[in-house]
Amino acid sequence: NAGVTQTPKFRILKIGQSMTLQCTQDMNHNYMYWYRQDPGMGLKLIYYSVGAGITDKGEVPNGYNVSRSTTEDFPLRLELAAPSQTSVYFCASRLGTGELFFGEGSRLTVL
Amino acid sequence: AQKVTQAQTEISVVEKEDVTLDCVYETRDTTYYLFWYKQPPSGELVFLIRRNSFDEQNEISGRYSWNFQKSTSSFNFTITASQVVDSAVYFCALSEANAGNMLTFGGGTRLMVKP
Repeated sequence: NAGVTQTPKFRILKIGQSMTLQCTQDMNHNYMYWYRQDPGMGLKLIYYSVGAGITDKGEVPNGYNVSRSTTEDFPLRLELAAPSQTSVYFCASRLGTGELFFGEGSRLTVL
Repeated sequence: AQKVTQAQTEISVVEKEDVTLDCVYETRDTTYYLFWYKQPPSGELVFLIRRNSFDEQNEISGRYSWNFQKSTSSFNFTITASQVVDSAVYFCALSEANAGNMLTFGGGTRLMVKP
């Protein structure tokens, strides 16, 4: 039982490049979330999903896209990377109203 | 809209002192859930507790205790006899049942426990 798995753990991008952060959970959780955490700050919600085929914007969605084709996977796409997207990204999942299970985080630097 | 405020950005204590981390929340829902998470220097997020809005009973787990008061919209966290290993950033979070179960996090409180 791996829980929530994020890849890659580290990535350096150049301005204008695009990439996808992968997130997979094996707990059959219906809810999945993407948060970003800037240095010394709290977590801000980017996008979330209440189930396969359903996604919605969070607090800071600009510059990102998501999809949820299966229960297990919730990839986060960054288009045209900007320095402001330098952050640590956390994927998380939960079953109903239970606790949030987090991945280990993906540290992204945009230069 | 849901909101969580952790007014203390940093707290510094000496080992064995007791320390309380404050959390104040705003919600219009009658059904909601409150959480505390710990983020040690290694960066992972560790779940500590979940409490629903209908259960105001205080909870104790070892050196940790939580005081939930709906009258003041607060869910405070106390560490008794703090230890150096308690040094971390602590986040309080709120989830409304009617808001897609999004968790909204407070800004966090950085706790430094000195030997």
